Amino acid sequence: GAVVSQHPSWVICKSGTSVKIECRSLDFQATTMFWYRQFPKQSLMLMATSNEGSKATYEQGVEKDKFLINHASLTLSTLTVTSAHPEDSSFYICSAVYQNEQFFGPGTRLTVL
Amino acid sequence: AQRVTQPEKLLSVFKGAPVELKCNYSYSGSPELFWYVQYSRQRLQLLLRHISRESIKGFTADLNKGETSFHLKKPFAQEEDSAMYYCALSGRAGGGADGLTFGKGTHLIIQP
Repeated sequence: GAVVSQHPSWVICKSGTSVKIECRSLDFQATTMFWYRQFPKQSLMLMATSNEGSKATYEQGVEKDKFLINHASLTLSTLTVTSAHPEDSSFYICSAVYQNEQFFGPGTRLTVL
Repeated sequence: AQRVTQPEKLLSVFKGAPVELKCNYSYSGSPELFWYVQYSRQRLQLLLRHISRESIKGFTADLNKGETSFHLKKPFAQEEDSAMYYCALSGRAGGGADGLTFGKGTHLIIQP
């Protein structure tokens, strides 16, 4: 149990376009989900906390207008990278909370050309 | 600011040898510490958390508040332990449901 999926697993887009990444809890409901970003050979960095039915809480230095988060249901949070640029290329990982533990998705590789 | 430091990017030991993956943290309050593991081509998963005080897959970790450390240990390494290990911190008690600060990770390789 406690499986989290992400879609897509990888995406390539042109500079200036927007990309949406989905994070789903498959077999449980998650009031809270998190979005992390991981650069090559670096650690995961918390970007934002996504709470169902309320606005996301962003970490310092993360542009909320750039990274739009929507948590419209108890099983789905979406991260939209707006007007993507090459520096947004990264590995994006979500997690969902179940019984006081975070369960991680497999990640989404975003490449912006 | 909270920070997690894993000084070793890579650690290679022989099968059957003891393993210790180092983790130091900085945080002004009482954090909760975790170890996560990522096996090849798999997602990140929780290995253990300090409040549980349990041994998972033969691994243990003790929180040393004086040294601000949470080193991961196993007395006899097995080949299936080869993976990426991340130490992580939550800034509040019961923080499994809180955003985490991760270290950069240590790649553990167990040689046959």
